[in-house]
Parts: sequence; C-alpha cells; structure tokens
Amino acid sequence: EPEVTQTPSHQVTQMGQEVILRCVPISNHLYFYWYRQILGQKVEFLVSFYNNEISEKSEIFDDQFSVERPDGSNFTLKIRSTKLEDSAMYFCASSEAPSGRTTGELFFGEGSRLTVL
Amino acid sequence: DAKTTQPPSMDCAEGRAANLPCNHSTISGNEYVYWYRQIHSQGPQYIIHGLKNNETNEMASLIITEDRKSSTLILPHATLRDTAVYYCIVRPGGSQGNLIFGKGTKLSVKP
Repeated sequence: EPEVTQTPSHQVTQMGQEVILRCVPISNHLYFYWYRQILGQKVEFLVSFYNNEISEKSEIFDDQFSVERPDGSNFTLKIRSTKLEDSAMYFCASSEAPSGRTTGELFFGEGSRLTVL
Repeated sequence: DAKTTQPPSMDCAEGRAANLPCNHSTISGNEYVYWYRQIHSQGPQYIIHGLKNNETNEMASLIITEDRKSSTLILPHATLRDTAVYYCIVRPGGSQGNLIFGKGTKLSVKP
C-alpha cells in the first residue's frame, strides 16, 4: 500500500539553527500538507501546497517557515531559525486531486520529531 | 476552531462495540463528517466519512442523525490496537481544504 514517508524520524537541533524536514508524498497525489503537534496538544494545520504554490496557511506558518517541492518527489518544510517552541512532531500529508471519485482523505506520514535545545 | 464536540475520553471492553459520539450542530449542507484516529504519536489515520447516509467500511460504521447535527462512529469489535484518539471533523466534501483537528476522544480498550 502506498504511503507518505518522512525523514528524519527525529532531529535534535540548537536554537537558531535551520532545519529542513523532508517528505515523499504518495506518487499520484497533487496536494500536500504540513501539520504539527506539540507534545500533549492538538494536531495543528500549518500549510497546504498545490501546483507549486501555497494554497492555504495558518497563522503559525510565519516568515520563519517555508515549503518547497524541489523535485518531482520531495516536499520539504524549512524552519529558518528554530525556537524552543518549535519543538514538536511534524506531520506531512498528501491527497489526490479533486475528483468526484476521491474520498478527500489525507494520508499522513509517521512524522518527524523535532527537538530544539 | 473545530466545529465538533466530542467527549474527552471513553473506555471500552475488548471485543465489545465502541460507540464514539460527535456533535456538529452547526454543520452546513455541503460538509461531510470525517473520522480520523491517532494511535499514540503516529500520524493520523483516515477511518471513514459520510454526508447524510450511514456508511460502513472494513474499519468502522458511521451513523449520522437525520438532522445531521450529530453522528456516531462504531467500531464493532474493539481490540487493544484500537486504543487511540479519535477525531471527528467536518469538512466540505471533495475539497482539498485542510483538516481542523479538535481534541478528539481518547478511547481506551481494556482487556
């Protein structure tokens, strides 16, 4: 069964450092998402991406964050200068293009745990 | 903010049906009810969704009231592996809009 894969599974970084989290969405999917979950809290939407541009973003997704699809397979989330409060699990998700035949479901990866010291 | 209300936690005996309620009294006509679950700290997993008719798949059944203001997710024979946080989410059907997760219901299946 196709799945969304994320790397790294866990990254530890110093405050102020840049971090890039990588995701390989399911191959025929065209919509991509990043969510985060701070320990013990809700899953929060960060950004959605389609046709090489951001389609929607939350207030969490400020100028410190950026997303990119550098090639035909990867989808990345970059945090320019990490803060302590960026420590969280980051989930990537993908979904098919809109179609009457789709369920509209998002497929999530297993997450990348970011620890900022 | 999430447009649904769910109990924070529920217990269920292994092998019995787990019935998870959700209130969505402000649901609009084009919004579907989606259910996802999150086992421990894994990525959320899609379970089922529906508009107004009851739905069933290999994982669960979804019962939606006639006025669509509430629904119930049914796991017919809960196992220990069904212990998870279950999220009820309303979202326009077929859209690629983001999912808004609430706090969900923590279901504990006990032996």
